[in-house]
Amino acid sequence: EVQLVESGGGLVQPGGSLRLSCAASGFSFDTNWMSWVRQAPGKGLEWVANIKEDGSARYYVDSVKGRSTISRDNAKNSLYLQMSNLRAEDTAVYYCARGGSPLSHDYFDYWGRGTLVTVSS
Amino acid sequence: DVVLIQSPLSLPVTLGQPASISCRSSQRLVYSDGNIYLNWFHQRPGQSPRRLIYKVSNRDSGVPDRFSGSGSGTDFTLKISRVEAEDVGVYYCMQATIWPPTFGQGTKVEIK
Repeated sequence: EVQLVESGGGLVQPGGSLRLSCAASGFSFDTNWMSWVRQAPGKGLEWVANIKEDGSARYYVDSVKGRSTISRDNAKNSLYLQMSNLRAEDTAVYYCARGGSPLSHDYFDYWGRGTLVTVSS
Repeated sequence: DVVLIQSPLSLPVTLGQPASISCRSSQRLVYSDGNIYLNWFHQRPGQSPRRLIYKVSNRDSGVPDRFSGSGSGTDFTLKISRVEAEDVGVYYCMQATIWPPTFGQGTKVEIK
């Protein structure tokens, strides 16, 4: 059974930093692109970032570019999102999702439960 | 970026009756390989999204056959043949043809 479990969310002040993690199991993590998708409170879904199977390619939505870094550790079956210089508009539930390859176009067939990031003073 | 406009934004439905959601794209979504990478997701209240349909009309594993997707070019539709109580929530279309991937704004389905 595919499982994606996010952690690392919490309350952070504007300008602060946070590192989100996603533990994957039940599939071959190192042969799948992985993504982060977020959802602001009461709002819709927004793709945030994705990373190639071996970590050699990474892409970001413009609003987080330069402030966030997606990474992975295939030995630990884990995905990460390091976020810095956080803003109020980054407040959202952050979901880890399988897929996101711009080559295969296979996106988001499995999702985690999400972790809430709140940016507020 | 590709803009996806869903309609209606709110859809009250009667149990056992059909329902239909439209998703209109600002650009044609046919990729150079001939495929259309248009997906549909369902998010129940308090839950994470679940993919229902990929490439316009292909149901994901375990998705009931009362759900069907159709469309071409810039106009796409998700249909529920007979709405059940578990179908409430928000439905999103999403395109993965043109970079970056984008979602529609969502359609909230509720029981009358």
